[in-house]
Amino acid sequence: DVKVTQSSRYLVKRTGEKVFLECVQDMDHENMFWYRQDPGLGLRLIYFSYDVKMKEKGDIPEGYSVSREKKERFSLILESASTNQTSMYLCASSFRGLAGQYEQYFGPGTRLTVT
Amino acid sequence: SQQGEEDPQALSIQEGENATMNCSYKTSINNLQWYRQNSGRGLVHLILIRSNEREKHSGRLRVTLDTSKKSSSLLITASRAADTASYFCATFTYSGNTPLVFGKGTRLSVIA
Repeated sequence: DVKVTQSSRYLVKRTGEKVFLECVQDMDHENMFWYRQDPGLGLRLIYFSYDVKMKEKGDIPEGYSVSREKKERFSLILESASTNQTSMYLCASSFRGLAGQYEQYFGPGTRLTVT
Repeated sequence: SQQGEEDPQALSIQEGENATMNCSYKTSINNLQWYRQNSGRGLVHLILIRSNEREKHSGRLRVTLDTSKKSSSLLITASRAADTASYFCATFTYSGNTPLVFGKGTRLSVIA
C-alpha cells in the first residue's frame, strides 16, 4: 500500500513563526504536491515537484516555499506564518509522468492554526 | 484556476438509495478523476477515466464521461452510511506540466 505521511495532524503556531510541514512517501514516486484546503474554496495547489531539487509554483505560492532534497520527502515552509495561513494542508504524491496524468495519493493532512 | 464544478454542493439520501453527483468542466481534458474525502482526512482516489472512455465501473461506483457536454457523473449504488463523505472531481489537461485541477466537491450524507 502506498503510504504518504505528514509530520503532524494538528499544529498551532504564532504569527511570525517559521513553520515546517514535512511529507514523506514510501512508493518511490517522482511527483509530490502541496495543497491547502479551505471551506468553500476546495483544494488549491501551492507547489509541486517532479524531481529532487525541482519545484514548480501552483496557484497560490505566495508566503510559502518548498524543499525537496530527497526523493521521498517534500517540505512546505511558511517563512513567517500569518493568520490567513490557518488551513488544512494536504500532501500528495504520484508516479512519474505529467503532474496530473496519474492518480494522486494523499496524506492525512495537517490542520494548522496560526494565532 | 478551478476547472471542475460539482453539482449538487450537498446531497442527503437514505441508506440503500443510489447517489449521483455531477461534474462539469470548461476546457478539453485528457483525464478526469474522482476522489473521496472523509471528514477531516486526506483524499482517496476512486476512479480515473480517460477522454477516450465513456464509462468505467469499480465495485458500486460507476463513472461516465461525456466530452461533448464537458461533464462527468459519479453514481454510487446501494449507498451505505460509510459512503458519507465529500466527493471531488479533478481534471487533467495535457499542456506542459499542468497538475490536476480540483473542484469544490459534493458533500454526501447517507442516513441509516
